[in-house]
Amino acid sequence: KAGVTQTPRYLIKTRGQQVTLSCSPISGHRSVSWYQQTPGQGLQFLFEYFSETQRNKGNFPGRFSGRQFSNSRSEMNVSTLELGDSALYLCASSLGRGRGNEQFFGPGTRLTVL
Amino acid sequence: GEDVEQSLFLSVREGDSSVINCTYTDSSSTYLYWYKQEPGAGLQLLTYIFSNMDMKQDQRLTVLLNKKDKHLSLRIADTQTGDSAIYFCAEILSSGNTPLVFGKGTRLSVIA
Repeated sequence: KAGVTQTPRYLIKTRGQQVTLSCSPISGHRSVSWYQQTPGQGLQFLFEYFSETQRNKGNFPGRFSGRQFSNSRSEMNVSTLELGDSALYLCASSLGRGRGNEQFFGPGTRLTVL
Repeated sequence: GEDVEQSLFLSVREGDSSVINCTYTDSSSTYLYWYKQEPGAGLQLLTYIFSNMDMKQDQRLTVLLNKKDKHLSLRIADTQTGDSAIYFCAEILSSGNTPLVFGKGTRLSVIA
Protein backbone atom coordinates (compact mmCIF):
# COMPACT_ATOMS: atom_id res chain seq x y z
CA LYS A 1 0.00 0.00 0.00
CA ALA A 2 1.48 3.35 -1.00
CA GLY A 3 2.23 5.84 1.75
CA VAL A 4 1.22 9.47 2.02
CA THR A 5 2.49 11.46 -0.92
CA GLN A 6 3.03 15.19 -1.07
CA THR A 7 3.73 17.36 -4.07
CA PRO A 8 5.80 19.24 -4.79
CA ARG A 9 8.67 18.25 -2.52
CA TYR A 10 10.42 21.60 -2.83
CA LEU A 11 9.14 25.03 -3.67
CA ILE A 12 10.71 28.47 -3.87
CA LYS A 13 8.45 31.51 -3.90
CA THR A 14 8.83 35.24 -3.31
CA ARG A 15 7.02 37.39 -0.79
CA GLY A 16 3.50 38.27 -1.78
CA GLN A 17 2.97 35.24 -3.99
CA GLN A 18 0.60 32.43 -3.20
CA VAL A 19 1.24 28.70 -3.14
CA THR A 20 -0.79 25.47 -3.25
CA LEU A 21 0.49 22.24 -1.74
CA SER A 22 -1.04 18.85 -2.38
CA CYS A 23 -1.40 15.73 -0.25
CA SER A 24 -2.64 12.29 -1.25
CA PRO A 25 -3.47 10.14 1.79
CA ILE A 26 -3.05 6.41 2.14
CA SER A 27 -5.80 4.60 0.27
CA GLY A 28 -8.86 4.26 2.50
CA HIS A 29 -7.81 6.99 4.91
CA ARG A 30 -10.39 9.71 5.29
CA SER A 31 -8.73 12.12 7.68
CA VAL A 32 -5.97 14.47 6.55
CA SER A 33 -4.11 16.85 8.85
CA TRP A 34 -1.55 19.49 8.00
CA TYR A 35 1.36 20.63 10.18
CA GLN A 36 3.98 23.32 9.78
CA GLN A 37 7.49 22.54 10.97
CA THR A 38 10.03 25.30 11.61
CA PRO A 39 13.27 25.27 13.63
CA GLY A 40 11.93 27.89 16.02
CA GLN A 41 8.35 26.78 16.61
CA GLY A 42 8.67 23.06 15.98
CA LEU A 43 5.61 21.21 14.71
CA GLN A 44 2.41 23.20 14.76
CA PHE A 45 -1.02 22.05 13.73
CA LEU A 46 -2.64 23.87 10.82
CA PHE A 47 -5.92 22.10 10.13
CA GLU A 48 -7.66 18.76 9.83
CA TYR A 49 -10.11 17.60 7.19
CA PHE A 50 -12.45 14.67 7.33
CA SER A 51 -15.10 13.85 4.75
CA GLU A 52 -14.40 17.07 2.88
CA THR A 53 -15.07 19.22 5.95
CA GLN A 54 -12.61 21.14 8.06
CA ARG A 55 -12.93 19.67 11.56
CA ASN A 56 -10.16 21.46 13.43
CA LYS A 57 -8.08 24.54 12.86
CA GLY A 58 -4.86 25.67 14.48
CA ASN A 59 -3.83 29.19 15.39
CA PHE A 60 -2.77 30.45 11.98
CA PRO A 61 -3.89 33.54 10.07
CA GLY A 62 -6.57 33.39 7.41
CA ARG A 63 -3.90 33.41 4.70
CA PHE A 64 -3.64 29.69 5.37
CA SER A 65 -6.51 27.69 3.97
CA GLY A 66 -7.21 24.20 2.81
CA ARG A 67 -9.73 21.86 1.34
CA GLN A 68 -10.37 18.18 0.88
CA PHE A 69 -11.81 16.47 -2.16
CA SER A 70 -14.21 13.56 -2.38
CA ASN A 71 -11.30 11.14 -2.93
CA SER A 72 -9.77 12.41 0.37
CA ARG A 73 -6.91 14.19 -1.36
CA SER A 74 -6.22 17.53 0.25
CA GLU A 75 -4.67 20.82 -0.73
CA MET A 76 -3.50 23.70 1.37
CA ASN A 77 -3.06 27.22 0.12
CA VAL A 78 -1.03 30.07 1.51
CA SER A 79 -1.71 33.50 0.08
CA THR A 80 0.39 36.66 0.32
CA LEU A 81 3.48 34.73 1.36
CA GLU A 82 5.74 36.12 4.07
CA LEU A 83 9.35 35.25 4.85
CA GLY A 84 8.18 33.55 8.04
CA ASP A 85 6.12 31.06 6.04
CA SER A 86 9.33 29.29 5.03
CA ALA A 87 8.94 25.86 6.57
CA LEU A 88 8.46 22.16 6.01
CA TYR A 89 4.75 21.47 5.54
CA LEU A 90 3.76 17.98 6.57
CA CYS A 91 0.58 16.16 5.78
CA ALA A 92 -0.66 13.21 7.82
CA SER A 93 -3.47 10.79 7.10
CA SER A 94 -5.42 8.42 9.30
CA LEU A 95 -8.38 6.10 8.91
CA GLY A 96 -10.57 8.11 11.24
CA ARG A 97 -10.34 10.98 13.65
CA GLY A 98 -8.80 11.50 17.04
CA ARG A 99 -7.20 9.21 19.55
CA GLY A 100 -6.55 5.63 18.60
CA ASN A 101 -6.18 6.53 14.94
CA GLU A 102 -2.54 6.40 13.99
CA GLN A 103 -1.40 9.28 11.85
CA PHE A 104 0.98 8.50 9.02
CA PHE A 105 3.06 11.35 7.68
CA GLY A 106 4.22 12.17 4.19
CA PRO A 107 7.76 13.37 3.38
CA GLY A 108 6.68 17.01 3.43
CA THR A 109 6.93 19.98 1.10
CA ARG A 110 9.79 22.34 1.86
CA LEU A 111 8.71 25.87 1.08
CA THR A 112 11.27 28.65 0.87
CA VAL A 113 10.03 32.23 0.66
CA LEU A 114 12.56 34.77 -0.63
CA GLY B 1 -1.80 23.38 29.52
CA GLU B 2 -0.76 21.47 26.46
CA ASP B 3 3.04 21.70 26.57
CA VAL B 4 5.24 18.75 25.76
CA GLU B 5 8.86 19.16 26.82
CA GLN B 6 11.91 17.26 25.63
CA SER B 7 15.63 17.74 25.97
CA LEU B 8 17.11 18.88 22.67
CA PHE B 9 20.18 16.68 22.28
CA LEU B 10 21.41 13.22 23.22
CA SER B 11 24.65 11.57 22.22
CA VAL B 12 25.37 7.85 22.75
CA ARG B 13 27.90 5.29 21.60
CA GLU B 14 26.92 2.55 19.17
CA GLY B 15 25.76 -0.51 21.06
CA ASP B 16 24.73 1.40 24.17
CA SER B 17 21.13 2.07 25.18
CA SER B 18 19.54 5.45 24.51
CA VAL B 19 16.89 6.93 26.74
CA ILE B 20 14.89 9.87 25.43
CA ASN B 21 12.68 11.65 27.93
CA CYS B 22 9.51 13.66 27.59
CA THR B 23 7.24 15.45 30.05
CA TYR B 24 3.72 16.61 29.40
CA THR B 25 1.49 18.85 31.44
CA ASP B 26 -2.01 17.76 30.51
CA SER B 27 -3.05 14.93 32.78
CA SER B 28 -5.99 14.19 30.53
CA SER B 29 -3.75 12.96 27.71
CA THR B 30 -4.83 9.55 26.55
CA TYR B 31 -2.48 8.45 23.80
CA LEU B 32 1.20 9.29 23.78
CA TYR B 33 3.33 8.75 20.71
CA TRP B 34 6.93 8.57 19.62
CA TYR B 35 7.84 9.65 16.10
CA LYS B 36 11.22 9.53 14.36
CA GLN B 37 12.36 12.02 11.73
CA GLU B 38 15.42 11.38 9.61
CA PRO B 39 17.07 14.19 7.65
CA GLY B 40 14.94 15.35 4.74
CA ALA B 41 12.09 13.01 5.62
CA GLY B 42 8.68 13.16 7.21
CA LEU B 43 7.74 11.66 10.55
CA GLN B 44 7.71 7.91 11.07
CA LEU B 45 5.48 6.55 13.82
CA LEU B 46 7.63 4.34 16.04
CA THR B 47 5.26 3.35 18.80
CA TYR B 48 2.54 4.65 21.07
CA ILE B 49 1.18 3.93 24.51
CA PHE B 50 -2.28 4.28 25.92
CA SER B 51 -2.52 6.12 29.20
CA ASN B 52 -3.77 3.10 31.14
CA MET B 53 -0.49 1.29 30.46
CA ASP B 54 2.82 1.65 32.28
CA MET B 55 5.09 0.03 29.75
CA LYS B 56 5.13 -1.16 26.18
CA GLN B 57 7.90 -3.09 24.47
CA ASP B 58 8.39 -3.50 20.74
CA GLN B 59 11.63 -5.19 19.69
CA ARG B 60 14.44 -2.75 20.61
CA LEU B 61 12.03 -0.08 21.79
CA THR B 62 10.64 0.22 25.31
CA VAL B 63 8.21 2.95 26.30
CA LEU B 64 7.72 3.76 29.97
CA LEU B 65 4.90 5.96 31.24
CA ASN B 66 4.81 7.52 34.70
CA LYS B 67 1.40 9.14 34.92
CA LYS B 68 1.99 10.57 38.38
CA ASP B 69 4.98 12.57 37.15
CA LYS B 70 3.57 13.00 33.62
CA HIS B 71 6.81 11.53 32.30
CA LEU B 72 7.27 9.43 29.18
CA SER B 73 10.48 7.81 28.04
CA LEU B 74 11.68 5.90 24.99
CA ARG B 75 14.50 3.45 25.45
CA ILE B 76 16.35 2.17 22.38
CA ALA B 77 18.41 -0.91 23.13
CA ASP B 78 21.65 -1.63 21.23
CA THR B 79 21.58 1.76 19.52
CA GLN B 80 22.84 1.75 15.94
CA THR B 81 24.10 4.53 13.69
CA GLY B 82 20.85 4.21 11.73
CA ASP B 83 19.00 5.35 14.84
CA SER B 84 20.52 8.83 14.48
CA ALA B 85 17.52 11.09 13.95
CA ILE B 86 15.20 13.51 15.73
CA TYR B 87 12.68 11.87 18.03
CA PHE B 88 9.38 13.57 18.80
CA CYS B 89 7.07 12.89 21.68
CA ALA B 90 3.40 13.73 20.98
CA GLU B 91 0.10 13.52 22.80
CA ILE B 92 -3.58 13.52 22.01
CA LEU B 93 -5.83 14.98 24.66
CA SER B 94 -8.75 13.19 26.22
CA SER B 95 -11.28 15.26 24.35
CA GLY B 96 -10.43 12.97 21.50
CA ASN B 97 -10.84 14.77 18.25
CA THR B 98 -7.87 17.02 18.69
CA PRO B 99 -4.62 17.22 16.80
CA LEU B 100 -1.32 15.81 17.91
CA VAL B 101 0.63 18.13 20.23
CA PHE B 102 4.35 17.67 19.69
CA GLY B 103 7.44 18.34 21.70
CA LYS B 104 10.33 20.18 20.05
CA GLY B 105 12.18 16.93 19.41
CA THR B 106 15.38 15.31 20.71
CA ARG B 107 18.26 15.00 18.28
CA LEU B 108 19.95 11.64 18.86
CA SER B 109 23.53 11.30 17.65
CA VAL B 110 25.07 7.83 17.63
CA ILE B 111 28.85 7.71 17.72
CA ALA B 112 30.47 4.70 16.06
